[in-house]
Amino acid sequence: QQQVRQSPQSLTVWEGETAILNCSYEDSTFNYFPWYQQFPGEGPALLISIRSVSDKKEDGRFTIFFNKREKKLSLHITDSQPGDSATYFCAASEASSGSWQLIFGSGTQLTVMP
Amino acid sequence: EAAVTQSPRNKVTVTGGNVTLSCRQTNSHNYMYWYRQDTGHGLRLIHYSYGAGNLQIGDVPDGYKATRTTQEDFFLLLELASPSQTSLYFCASSDGGSSYEQYFGPGTRLTVL
Repeated sequence: QQQVRQSPQSLTVWEGETAILNCSYEDSTFNYFPWYQQFPGEGPALLISIRSVSDKKEDGRFTIFFNKREKKLSLHITDSQPGDSATYFCAASEASSGSWQLIFGSGTQLTVMP
Repeated sequence: EAAVTQSPRNKVTVTGGNVTLSCRQTNSHNYMYWYRQDTGHGLRLIHYSYGAGNLQIGDVPDGYKATRTTQEDFFLLLELASPSQTSLYFCASSDGGSSYEQYFGPGTRLTVL
């Protein structure tokens, strides 16, 4: 049973458009939600993260929107660039438990067309 | 900058073979992790450790052993490899303090024939 779900599996947008990647989770004890970006042939790297006490986190063109009541998040990438083409993983953790485990979703493969 | 290295980068073995994947981090991090990545499943945690000599079971541990010999080195052992273990394996490390960020290595692609 997947505790963290992502949609869509793949997404194609044109350069300059806003890409919206969705994530949902089941465990209400999760309170830390990082998004990792992975390019082909590389390991994932942290892109942006949010704690459950916030409903929005911005970092340049990347914004996380968080709805605790519905257990949903979304990553918005504004003014998408071809260099943003990558796989994006949503993850979740109960950061205060001390276990340091991340539960990853299955990823969204984003393609930005020039 | 954080550095996690893995070896080998590619490995081919036969069913029943013995395989060791190596990971080294130079971040002075306490926590190290082994994941497997498969299409449709994302990253799944196999084992992790919070220090030399410590080992914790992850979500998909069956068929895998691991050993943390030093703070820097974490090994994943497949003693009787099976085709179902064909996958992309990632090692990661994290501080385990106030930062929850995990730093990943470049991955090892394992094929079991």
